[in-house]
Amino acid sequence: DIQMTQSPSILYASVGERVTITCRASQSVSRWLAWYQQKAGKAPKLVIYKASNLQSGVSSRFSGSGSGTEFTLAINNLQPDDFATYYCQHYYSDSRTFGQGTKVEIK
Amino acid sequence: DVLLVESGGDWVQPGGSLRVSCGASGLIFSDAWMGWVRQAPGKGLEWVGRIRSGGTTDYAAAVEGRFTISRDDSRNTMFLQMNSLKTEDTAMYYCSTDWDGDSHSQGAYWGQGTLVTVSS
Repeated sequence: DIQMTQSPSILYASVGERVTITCRASQSVSRWLAWYQQKAGKAPKLVIYKASNLQSGVSSRFSGSGSGTEFTLAINNLQPDDFATYYCQHYYSDSRTFGQGTKVEIK
Repeated sequence: DVLLVESGGDWVQPGGSLRVSCGASGLIFSDAWMGWVRQAPGKGLEWVGRIRSGGTTDYAAAVEGRFTISRDDSRNTMFLQMNSLKTEDTAMYYCSTDWDGDSHSQGAYWGQGTLVTVSS
């Protein structure tokens, strides 16, 4: 199975900052990579699909990049509503694997 | 709007069985690839498995042979049959849409989850 590793596990940031989260795959997943946002007690919400495509209704402050084994989620001008846990997930093969998550907390 | 609603979560003893359901509306369910994702208390997301339109299934290694995903397109409903349950299967179980062949997206829609507790 393809393993997904996110870094950092926790990220402390202030409102207005730009933050980046990295996701690495144990083998190439081409561009079949999604990013989700999850808030406590809620279902995940799709933010980015196919590495860099912004899901409808998601703020343009979110962007994704990368291909192969290394991917990045960037959030510009961090807003209070963005403090949450973010997960990457590959969908390259007949299985899907999530990264372990990155919690974005207020500094 | 697409709406997914899970039901059937409950407390069950180790070794027991449980079936949870996911009802869908707002999409052409028979064309939709659907999946299950779980989240143990305080832990991250874990992919459980998925069912394609037409019924072909794929599972995570942790549940292969114990869990079965099925669908009833006439009722716009997906099921997760869980057998030989273990304490480590305790989690919130979410249904979601899987691969979308038109947009190439994954996991665009999610239900609110149903809680399964395995404990003696």
